[in-house]
Amino acid sequence: GESVGLHLPTLSVQEGDNSIINCAYSNSASDYFIWYKQESGKGPQFIIDIRSNMDKRQGQRVTVLLNKTVKHLSLQIAATQPGDSAVYFCAENIKDTGSARQLTFGSGTQLTVLP
Amino acid sequence: DAGITQSPRHKVTETGTPVTLRCHQTENHRYMYWYRQDPGHGLRLIHYSYGVKDTDKGEVSDGYSVSRSKTEDFLLTLESATSSQTSVYFCAIRGEGNQPQHFGDGTRLSIL
Repeated sequence: GESVGLHLPTLSVQEGDNSIINCAYSNSASDYFIWYKQESGKGPQFIIDIRSNMDKRQGQRVTVLLNKTVKHLSLQIAATQPGDSAVYFCAENIKDTGSARQLTFGSGTQLTVLP
Repeated sequence: DAGITQSPRHKVTETGTPVTLRCHQTENHRYMYWYRQDPGHGLRLIHYSYGVKDTDKGEVSDGYSVSRSKTEDFLLTLESATSSQTSVYFCAIRGEGNQPQHFGDGTRLSIL
């Protein structure tokens, strides 16, 4: 079946640099996308979301970009800090799953911030 | 934090025993979800609820049942646990409209 996937399982960046985490999706019916951060021993923490009628959305130090033409989603983290080290998941909601908004998750990218 | 408490946080049990995990929320949210997380599979939806006594199956529901007798509690039951159900289980909640799901800190379940 269709699923969300990630280009890279691991990413290492220098402290202070910008990070870009990528996600590919294949279901053109998806209308909502969300990024989560998961630290060891904890549950996923909401970072930012975007709906399919938008191309870009910004939060505090984070930006999500959506390219529907190539079915690609990215999370940009500005001035990466040691506390950003975690696993990052993208997830999609397929429009016809009703009001419950079931999410399909990718397998995650491990971000490591180097001193 | 999103006002979600999962219990127990850790459990070790034997194959064939029944196990019940509890998710308790203080947000009065309508939607609640149970996921399992395994290496290489990310998070997979087991069951979800869209109101008291209203539940439905997710992607990996075989071997699991759920109940929601009141808004704040969503129970996940393994009637007869198997080793393949060793996993970390997460509960999530969501409010009405365009709200994201928020997760608890999980229950680590080991079935020997």
